[in-house]
Amino acid sequence: DSGVTQTPKHLITATGQRVTLRCSPRSGDLSVYWYQQSLDQGLQFLIQYYNGEERAKGNILERFSAQQFPDLHSELNLSSLELGDSALYFCASSARTSGSVGEQFFGPGTRLTVL
Amino acid sequence: AQSVAQPEDQVNVAEGNPLTVKCTYSVSGNPYLFWYVQYPNRGLQFLLKYITGDNLVKGSYGFEAEFNKSQTSFHLKKPSALVSDSALYFCAVRDSNRDDKIIFGKGTRLHILP
Repeated sequence: DSGVTQTPKHLITATGQRVTLRCSPRSGDLSVYWYQQSLDQGLQFLIQYYNGEERAKGNILERFSAQQFPDLHSELNLSSLELGDSALYFCASSARTSGSVGEQFFGPGTRLTVL
Repeated sequence: AQSVAQPEDQVNVAEGNPLTVKCTYSVSGNPYLFWYVQYPNRGLQFLLKYITGDNLVKGSYGFEAEFNKSQTSFHLKKPSALVSDSALYFCAVRDSNRDDKIIFGKGTRLHILP
């Protein structure tokens, strides 16, 4: 168990809908990362937050947005869903303490199916 | 720009034989290197990391990795493969001169044949 939790585990929805994925990082970790994993695209970095602020952006669509709250949990919002958005969505967290070199610890993922 | 390459999509090894999963990287500064493993329907699990020092790094489940600066490689190895090692393996790199962003390879699927 990595200490990173994600809810829900599975999500089935229809095209055009909006969903919210939730992530709680390991205790004490300030950085949260979101990734999308699909069969043909591998592991794609979406976005990173550090202590509530956006830190880095990857291949995140404009239909997607994220935020990190004061208690450090994060939410990934996916809107106007398309069939191609079906994938596993992972959250990871990392520490920013001395001695840490940024290794990330991953949650179990949310499997999104868009029908 | 930093990048990481895993040249093999799939590696097949007989149980009990040594295994190697290849990884090469490109960074402008000194690299921090990582290996992760993903079992079916699970998140990625951290296996080991290289920061500095000894070029041979030991990690979880009997895995080790060898850092080679001249070849910009960080190959994952295990002396004797187990069927339970069958999984998807990801190499990742972070430039020590940059922030937390880690770049992941595309992954190598390891099949251990009984």
